[in-house]
Amino acid sequence: AQRVTQPEKLLSVFKGAPVELKCNYSYSGSPELFWYVQYSRQRLQLLLRHISRESIKGFTADLNKGETSFHLKKPFAQEEDSAMYYCALGQGGSEKLVFGKGTKLTVNP
Amino acid sequence: GAGVSQSPRYKVAKRGQDVALRCDPISGHVSLFWYQQALGQGPEFLTYFQNEAQLDKSGLPSDRFFAERPEGSVSTLKIQRTQQEDSAVYLCASSIWAGNTGELFFGEGSRLTVL
Repeated sequence: AQRVTQPEKLLSVFKGAPVELKCNYSYSGSPELFWYVQYSRQRLQLLLRHISRESIKGFTADLNKGETSFHLKKPFAQEEDSAMYYCALGQGGSEKLVFGKGTKLTVNP
Repeated sequence: GAGVSQSPRYKVAKRGQDVALRCDPISGHVSLFWYQQALGQGPEFLTYFQNEAQLDKSGLPSDRFFAERPEGSVSTLKIQRTQQEDSAVYLCASSIWAGNTGELFFGEGSRLTVL
């Protein structure tokens, strides 16, 4: 069965510190991985997807098929990065996404 | 409007009542999704439409849940004989592509509380 695991429910770092939000997935096919973010009082929105290989707001994520991981990283966290982050798995040929339970990131001043 | 619009934003129902939640997707978006998000959980897939066709309803938790999108635009999620465990935020999302995992655009959600 397809499954996404985000082991940390809460993550707290200081401004300027590196941050890594972990995501592991379980899927036998060719996965498509996404990170969605929900800022306070805003709707859920796409942050980045693995196929684009781009950096958004300083965040990057690399798909590691050997470790079945798609961790989200940023070298220097900012206060405005505080939000809920959800890792999501797409299954090739289907638009359906399976979401993890989310990690609440707090960046302290 | 430019984004996905959902109504009502908040709904309180007594156990046993029927409720209807509406989603107005972004104009021209082919695909429409409903997700259920319980407190402290991630969004859980309920059902998926491509235009007016309901292609996947594997996530609907029981036959009390019913969704439709008769003209391939606005969608309604109906819950009959609501139970306390139905309390959650119901998210609607749309995407422009069909048959490809593209970006999902989410609405603000409808928060249902069943007393």
